[in-house]
Amino acid sequence: GENVEQHPSTLSVQEGDSAVIKCTYSDSASNYFPWYKQELGKGPQLIIDIRSNVGEKKDQRIAVTLNKTAKHFSLHITETQPEDSAVYFCAANAGGTSYGKLTFGQGTILTVHP
Amino acid sequence: EAQVTQNPRYLITVTGKKLTVTCSQNMNHEYMSWYRQDPGLGLRQIYYSMNVEVTDKGDVPEGYKVSRKEKRNFPLILESPSPNQTSLYFCASSRQGLYGYTFGSGTRLTVV
Repeated sequence: GENVEQHPSTLSVQEGDSAVIKCTYSDSASNYFPWYKQELGKGPQLIIDIRSNVGEKKDQRIAVTLNKTAKHFSLHITETQPEDSAVYFCAANAGGTSYGKLTFGQGTILTVHP
Repeated sequence: EAQVTQNPRYLITVTGKKLTVTCSQNMNHEYMSWYRQDPGLGLRQIYYSMNVEVTDKGDVPEGYKVSRKEKRNFPLILESPSPNQTSLYFCASSRQGLYGYTFGSGTRLTVV
């Protein structure tokens, strides 16, 4: 089955700096890669996703890049703000027709210091 | 408001006593799924459903049952809970396979 590795497990930055979180996946048939943000006491919330037919996607201060050959994808947050502090999860779907099967990384605790 | 609603939010039960966690979505989504979240292990998928009467195993299905008799509901059943099923559980729904899941607020289950 799919295996998703996420690094780093914790990340501390100063407000205004950029933050980068990286994930690798094992199933070459995976074609959907979402990123989730989880705040304390809440369920994960989708913040951006990318499909395998594109290499990069941007939404305001966040962007995701995908390298299918190397089987890795990354989340980039620019101009970080204290409210970006949360746990971030990457995920990858199973290949073939198992679209609903989604495997998550272990999570990254991001802390943005004012 | 578009949402995934799961109940209860908190549950303490004893080993072996059957329980059901309910999940309902009001977005007419095709896909629904259950996850458990444990420290250091991230989110692990238990079961998912692609439509009414269509379900499949996730990565950690042992000890759990699900059913999808109606499109909006996807209950999680623990026939004989054990302490290793103590966890934070999330239900989620998605309109199609290549779209992100919308998560509920979670159910914290403790089995003693």
